Amino acid sequence: AQSVTQLGSHVSVSEGALVLLRCNYSSSVPPYLFWYVQYPNQGLQLLLKYTSAATLVKGINGFEAEFKKSETSFHLTKPSAHMSDAAEYFCAVSISGTASKLTFGTGTRLQVTL
Amino acid sequence: DTGVSQDPRHKITKRGQNVTFRCDPISEHNRLYWYRQTLGQGPEFLTYFQNEAQLEKSRLLSDRFSAERPKGSFSTLEIQRTEQGDSAMYLCASSFDRGTSMNTEAFFGQGTRLTVV
Repeated sequence: AQSVTQLGSHVSVSEGALVLLRCNYSSSVPPYLFWYVQYPNQGLQLLLKYTSAATLVKGINGFEAEFKKSETSFHLTKPSAHMSDAAEYFCAVSISGTASKLTFGTGTRLQVTL
Repeated sequence: DTGVSQDPRHKITKRGQNVTFRCDPISEHNRLYWYRQTLGQGPEFLTYFQNEAQLEKSRLLSDRFSAERPKGSFSTLEIQRTEQGDSAMYLCASSFDRGTSMNTEAFFGQGTRLTVV
């Protein structure tokens, strides 16, 4: 079975500061990893995905994530936070590269302050 | 196409009543998924369809829950004899899957928020 753990249910950063949202995974087979963002009362939008190609994955809105097998991590980063980045972020794992059953973490709420 | 559409967006029902939600996926998508998201949690997989065939059901999907996708297009999720614990956001997603593609993406709808009182 696969799972993800997101460390920190709430993260607060100043506008312009580095964003770092942590995700560690557990999988008995090579995983496929995803980051989704959810704005209030909205569905989930895919930010980026790792499917065993390049370990550094670039996504939308300036976000990127690095797959580190040795650390079983897939942390999400953005060099400079913007007020519009305030949202809930979910890490997810799948054992298939296709959009099949996803196992999500519990989410990290990102707050961006002036 | 405007994306995955879910109806209704909000539903308040009394305990013991039956409710039905509808999901219209992106038109060319052959896979459709249902997830449940409770407050403060990530979405949890419930079930998914490949065309009209229901291929997998989570143990979370008790016998009070039933999902259909009769013509391989829209899907319905019915909850019978609702309980307060059923209160959650029910999310639908769809994707186009050729079976071997490694670059498919699931597109999510805005969800149906169910409150059981």
